[in-house]
Amino acid sequence: GQQVMQIPQYQHVQEGEDFTTYCNSSTTLSNIQWYKQRPGGHPVFLIQLVKSGEVKKQKRLTFQFGEAKKNSSLHITATQTTDVGTYFCSRDYGGSQGNLIFGKGTKLSVKP
Amino acid sequence: KAGVTQTPRYLIKTRGQQVTLSCSPISGHRSVSWYQQTPGQGLQFLFEYFSETQRNKGNFPGRFSGRQFSNSRSEMNVSTLELGDSALYLCASSLAGRERDEQYFGPGTRLTVT
Repeated sequence: GQQVMQIPQYQHVQEGEDFTTYCNSSTTLSNIQWYKQRPGGHPVFLIQLVKSGEVKKQKRLTFQFGEAKKNSSLHITATQTTDVGTYFCSRDYGGSQGNLIFGKGTKLSVKP
Repeated sequence: KAGVTQTPRYLIKTRGQQVTLSCSPISGHRSVSWYQQTPGQGLQFLFEYFSETQRNKGNFPGRFSGRQFSNSRSEMNVSTLELGDSALYLCASSLAGRERDEQYFGPGTRLTVT
């Protein structure tokens, strides 16, 4: 019940193509966070979504939070080789305990 | 501001041994969380400390333990190591570990158990 499901698990794209990863929960989320982990690196915070239907943009990245607050998506326009990595969504567990439940992630590879 | 630091970065141990990993949070951050990352299970929450108190614990056996010191630095200990404990251990710090607090991850400690 607390898990978040991410799809797809892997995505291979040609540089310049778009990319989208989806995150789904069976329960309503208070918020969702997105992280990126480069190969050999550690997760780096990208963004947090809190409001129903929220849309946030960071350059070529667009993040959406569903109206029912049960799903979220990350869309990258015109991928570049620097976008390579694994993208994770995460949800809080227990509210104030400062721990996160992560999805399995979507591993993005970009062919130049 | 310096980021989260973890020591050591790499560690090789044999089954049955114990290991202690260290994490220094970002200055001013009082919450430290630990995660285990493996290819099969992904990122899994171990425990979280705030003001020297463990506030929550994930679903790991008692061989995994931790503590936090008054300066917010944290250590985790794994006793009686098993091959399956081979993983990247990440710590993350946040201001107070509240809901919606952004977490900053350290580079991790890569533990290999042979």
